[in-house]
Amino acid sequence: EDQVTQSPEALRLQEGESSSLNCSYTVSGLRGLFWYRQDPGKGPEFLFTLYSAGEEKEKERLKATLTKKESFLHITAPKPEDSATYLCAVQAVETSGSRLTFGEGTQLTVNP
Amino acid sequence: DADVTQTPRNRITKTGKRIMLECSQTKGHDRMYWYRQDPGLGLRLIYYSFDVKDINKGEISDGYSVSRQAQAKFSLSLESAIPNQTALYFCATSAETYGATQYFGPGTRLLVL
Repeated sequence: EDQVTQSPEALRLQEGESSSLNCSYTVSGLRGLFWYRQDPGKGPEFLFTLYSAGEEKEKERLKATLTKKESFLHITAPKPEDSATYLCAVQAVETSGSRLTFGEGTQLTVNP
Repeated sequence: DADVTQTPRNRITKTGKRIMLECSQTKGHDRMYWYRQDPGLGLRLIYYSFDVKDINKGEISDGYSVSRQAQAKFSLSLESAIPNQTALYFCATSAETYGATQYFGPGTRLLVL
């Protein structure tokens, strides 16, 4: 059974204080790992897709990395507008229907 | 305009009522999905459709049905709503390519009394 565990559950940072969010996963074979951002009352907003170990992607203050067992979302010099819940999801090679298995998310709060 | 839209955005209903949630997309994707989100349980797949004639159950389909009226439209029905179906419901779409990204709509907040 595919599993995704995100840590920490909640993270409070001061503006400018860099940190990382973790996503540990167990799948029979990884087709893709996805990061989303979700604001309260809204749908998940796509950030990154990573397909193979060693891959990295960046967007503004965010950088996602992937190993064979986990992914990190690094946030450099965060701003209050980066406050949101960050979701990690995996899609397994054996998955029928392109199903995504989601973690429960990390709720990030950035204080000014 | 948003690529994936959902109606209604909020709905309050009573136990035993039939309700329909609707999803439309302008991304031109063939694949569409319905998820529900509950605190502590994350997002879980209810149904998915690869095209108009291909509809499949997800991991939590009991108590739900779907209809794919066109490539761009995918509806979710609760035949007889019950309180534990209170949740946030999201529609998503993706292309057919391997490992394609799923794009989510804004969600419907459903409360079953």
